[in-house]
Amino acid sequence: EAGVAQSPRYKIIEKRQSVAFWCNPISGHATLYWYQQILGQGPKLLIQFQNNGVVDDSQLPKDRFSAERLKGVDSTLKIQPAKLEDSAVYLCASRKLAGVNEQFFGPGTRLTVL
Amino acid sequence: AQRVTQPEKLLSVFKGAPVELKCNYSYSGSPELFWYVQYSRQRLQLLLRHISRESIKGFTADLNKGETSFHLKKPFAQEEDSAMYYCALSGRDNYGQNFVFGPGTRLSVLP
Repeated sequence: EAGVAQSPRYKIIEKRQSVAFWCNPISGHATLYWYQQILGQGPKLLIQFQNNGVVDDSQLPKDRFSAERLKGVDSTLKIQPAKLEDSAVYLCASRKLAGVNEQFFGPGTRLTVL
Repeated sequence: AQRVTQPEKLLSVFKGAPVELKCNYSYSGSPELFWYVQYSRQRLQLLLRHISRESIKGFTADLNKGETSFHLKKPFAQEEDSAMYYCALSGRDNYGQNFVFGPGTRLSVLP
């Protein structure tokens, strides 16, 4: 089966600009996660979707970050406006709703904010 | 609050030596613990879960609830084991099932 896809793989922007990331989960996976991984740290959960509903966005900086999963499949994560401290790898992961509790990760998008 | 700590940022061992990557957690309920691994230029992937009690690539990990630890062990390290290792906890909170990752330990197996 195809894995989790993410695009773009790399993005360089200047502070105060906007950026969007896209994720296509594994087919049939109802749960989708966005993580932020700052250099030298572990992934930090930003938001979790189940189908097209938000389960947990308690750690999402909502003044600048937004995410959606309109049809319960693909998802986009947006940052507007970006700050220097947003430089990180943004990871998308998905898993089945039932069964084995295993997340499958995408390759990530490396964002550099100048 | 859920928290995962990995005290070593970097662990270097020689090929054939035993290796132990430490992981401690704090969680008030019954967590599910995982080890994830990221090899160079590859995506993050699951190595093993505590509830399956399996050995993957020679690695094992036992959940010790008394010490709130989930250390990863391998009796004889191989060069191909060199990678970033993340301990993770899945538990239920006010928002449902979530995941918390530790900061990671880079394992370097020297020839």
